[in-house]
Amino acid sequence: DIQMTQSPSSLSAFVGDRVTITCRASQDITYILGWYQQKPGEAPKRLIYGASILQSGVPPRFSGNGSGTEFTLTISGLQPEDFATYYCLQHTNYPWTFGQGTKVEIK
Amino acid sequence: EVQLVESGGGLIQPGGSLRLSCAASGITVITSYMAWVRQAPGKGLEWVSNIYNDGTTYYADSVKGRFTISRDNSKNMLYLQMNNLRAEDTAIYYCARIPWRKGPFDIWGRGTMVTVSS
Repeated sequence: DIQMTQSPSSLSAFVGDRVTITCRASQDITYILGWYQQKPGEAPKRLIYGASILQSGVPPRFSGNGSGTEFTLTISGLQPEDFATYYCLQHTNYPWTFGQGTKVEIK
Repeated sequence: EVQLVESGGGLIQPGGSLRLSCAASGITVITSYMAWVRQAPGKGLEWVSNIYNDGTTYYADSVKGRFTISRDNSKNMLYLQMNNLRAEDTAIYYCARIPWRKGPFDIWGRGTMVTVSS
């Protein structure tokens, strides 16, 4: 199975900060990765697919980068509504696997 | 508007069975790739199962042999039959769409809670 390791597991940041979350795959997954945001009590929402393609309707302050085994999600100019938990997902091989999540909290 | 609405969750004893349903509107289940994803209380997301438009299915090892994904094309519904339930199956179960060649899970339902406990 492909293991997805996210870092950090949590972070605190101010509104307006630039935040970067990293996801590392235990083997090469090319660009077959998505990023999801989940707020408490809500279903997840897709932000990015294909490692760097922004989901329609998602603000451009969100961006994804990477290929192979290392990927990043960057939020440029954190907004109050961005405080949530973020997950990466690899869907190259079965079983599909999520990272353990990164909780972004207000400082 | 595309919408997915799950139902069928509840409290069930260990070893019991439950069938979850996902009603789709705005999309046709038979021509779509669909999935179930779950989230245990306070934990992260876990992929459970996929069904493709040709009927091919895939399962997580943790549910293989106990869960069955299926669909009813006439009702435009997705199902998850869960047998021999264990405490560790306690979770919110979401159904989600996998758009063709655009990465998975662009549309999610709100989820249905399954609690396995005596």
